[in-house]
Amino acid sequence: GEDVEQSLFLSVREGDSSVINCTYTDSSSTYLYWYKQEPGAGLQLLTYIFSNMDMKQDQRLTVLLNKKDKHLSLRIADTQTGDSAIYFCAERSDYKLSFGAGTTVTVRA
Amino acid sequence: KAGVTQTPRYLIKTRGQQVTLSCSPISGHRSVSWYQQTPGQGLQFLFEYFSETQRNKGNFPGRFSGRQFSNSRSEMNVSTLELGDSALYLCASSLARTAEQYFGPGTRLTVT
Repeated sequence: GEDVEQSLFLSVREGDSSVINCTYTDSSSTYLYWYKQEPGAGLQLLTYIFSNMDMKQDQRLTVLLNKKDKHLSLRIADTQTGDSAIYFCAERSDYKLSFGAGTTVTVRA
Repeated sequence: KAGVTQTPRYLIKTRGQQVTLSCSPISGHRSVSWYQQTPGQGLQFLFEYFSETQRNKGNFPGRFSGRQFSNSRSEMNVSTLELGDSALYLCASSLARTAEQYFGPGTRLTVT
């Protein structure tokens, strides 16, 4: 079955790094995703990683995947006020996405 | 390239009525999926369409249905609306069934 878990809240100072963690249970997942949702908006695809990779870097974003522990993390370097949002981790299996509950990131000055 | 568009953006309906929501995928994308987002249940998969056929369905009652047209546009229908159907309905499109999904802005449905 699919069950994605992530911590609910994260507060970070502007300019610091943010790390959002996620665990998943479906070992057959092929891709894992990070989406961002701002108030009143849909989901914005930030980045994704294939299950046979252990790291992916894309500008300020770094995704780490520990397949043995089924643990995924998203690091945002030099966090800005515009990064305040809800971040969702999702795993793909059987052609559909299963999402975590979302981590609300608050960036303080 | 234009993103995924959904219409209408906001909708208010009364219990017992039915509603139809529309989704236009990114040009060239052939797979369309629908998700329901509520504060209590989070994001839940409704169904997936590819080549005008429903390929996958989530755990929702038969009141929820959908279809996909030959131009890949999709509609979902909810009949006999209940208060619990109030939610943000999100549509996502992808180039192929295995490709990454891009979401539209959603339709906010309120049932009174």
